[in-house]
Amino acid sequence: DQQVKQNSPSLSVQEGRISILNCDYTNSMFDYFLWYKKYPAEGPTFLISISSIKDKNEDGRFTVFLNKSAKHLSLHIVPSQPGDSAVYFCAALIQGAQKLVFGQGTRLTINP
Amino acid sequence: DTEVTQTPKHLVMGMTNKKSLKCEQHMGHRAMYWYKQKAKKPPELMFVYSYEKLSINESVPSRFSPECPNSSLLNLHLHALQPEDSALYLCASSPTGLEVGEQYFGPGTRLTVT
Repeated sequence: DQQVKQNSPSLSVQEGRISILNCDYTNSMFDYFLWYKKYPAEGPTFLISISSIKDKNEDGRFTVFLNKSAKHLSLHIVPSQPGDSAVYFCAALIQGAQKLVFGQGTRLTINP
Repeated sequence: DTEVTQTPKHLVMGMTNKKSLKCEQHMGHRAMYWYKQKAKKPPELMFVYSYEKLSINESVPSRFSPECPNSSLLNLHLHALQPEDSALYLCASSPTGLEVGEQYFGPGTRLTVT
């Protein structure tokens, strides 16, 4: 049972445009959500997070939006840069439970 | 130092071998994690140590044996593995494990079981 789903395995965006990565979840008990970025041969790197009491969190070029009623979150990257090319994982947890549940990942490619 | 280090980077072992994976962090974090990641799949949690005590075992087969000798070190002892155990093994740490947020990941050990 996939509790966190990223339905797009890959996404290609032109440099300078907006990249939008999507994530859906099924467990209504999740109350904290994170995005990780992974380059080949490296471990995942934390990017940005959002608590379920918020609907938006922004950090520089990265913004995460949360729609609790739809059980949907998205990561916006604007403007997209070639260095953003990586696999992006959405993850969710129940606070205090110590267990991160990851989505399948979306491979983002930024084209010059 | 915001780094989690893992050794070795690559490991090839036979099904009758015994080997260990090592993970180290010097960020003062008190929670450490082992994940397994198969190709084109997300990381899957195996074990969590919180304050050097095993707090979560995700029903991992006993051929994987974790050990936390101190707050900076985490080992994963491997014995009698199967070819399907071939994967990337990721270690991570977080400040306490009880608070939300970031887990810091190491680069992983790519394990091949022959």
